[in-house]
Amino acid sequence: AQSVAQPEDQVNVAEGNPLTVKCTYSVSGNPYLFWYVQYPNRGLQFLLKYITGDNLVKGSYGFEAEFNKSQTSFHLKKPSALVSDSALYFCAVREYDQGGKLIFGQGTELSVKP
Amino acid sequence: NAGVTQTPKFRILKIGQSMTLQCTQDMNHNYMYWYRQDPGMGLKLIYYSVGAGITDKGEVPNGYNVSRSTTEDFPLRLELAAPSQTSVYFCASNPDRGNSPLHFGNGTRLTVT
Repeated sequence: AQSVAQPEDQVNVAEGNPLTVKCTYSVSGNPYLFWYVQYPNRGLQFLLKYITGDNLVKGSYGFEAEFNKSQTSFHLKKPSALVSDSALYFCAVREYDQGGKLIFGQGTELSVKP
Repeated sequence: NAGVTQTPKFRILKIGQSMTLQCTQDMNHNYMYWYRQDPGMGLKLIYYSVGAGITDKGEVPNGYNVSRSTTEDFPLRLELAAPSQTSVYFCASNPDRGNSPLHFGNGTRLTVT
């Protein structure tokens, strides 16, 4: 079965510093990986996805993610954090056996301080 | 473009009561999903549907029921509410099960006391 893990419950970063939110995956076959962001009292918003091809994927709001097959990782990155990036971030992998559902990690709370 | 719309936004139920969480999408997506979100647990799939008239169980279906009579609507029914069903519920849709991202509604926060 597919799974993803987010090893950090919380990440704290100063505004202007680079940020990384970690995700590792376990899949059989080629992984289809996604990052979503959730702001308070809102639904999940799609940030970016990895399907195949370039290992560096660029997404919304200046975020990017690095796919590393040997380390089975898909870490979310941003060169310069903003206070407005503070939110809950979810990594997810697509499971094709149940209607293409997404399997989510437990989430990482990102806090960016001025 | 409304996307995925969920109602109500908030609800408080007493133990044993029943209710229906509404979900509708205007994107003509075939695939629809219900997830619940609990703190520190990510999102867990309750039920899903691959088209009108077709539904199936996800990881945590106990205590819930769904129907899919139209492409647009995918209501989630709680028959006998229990405190363990206190959660935030999200509906999502997808045009297919390929590499398209899921579109999420804004959620329904349910408290059972």
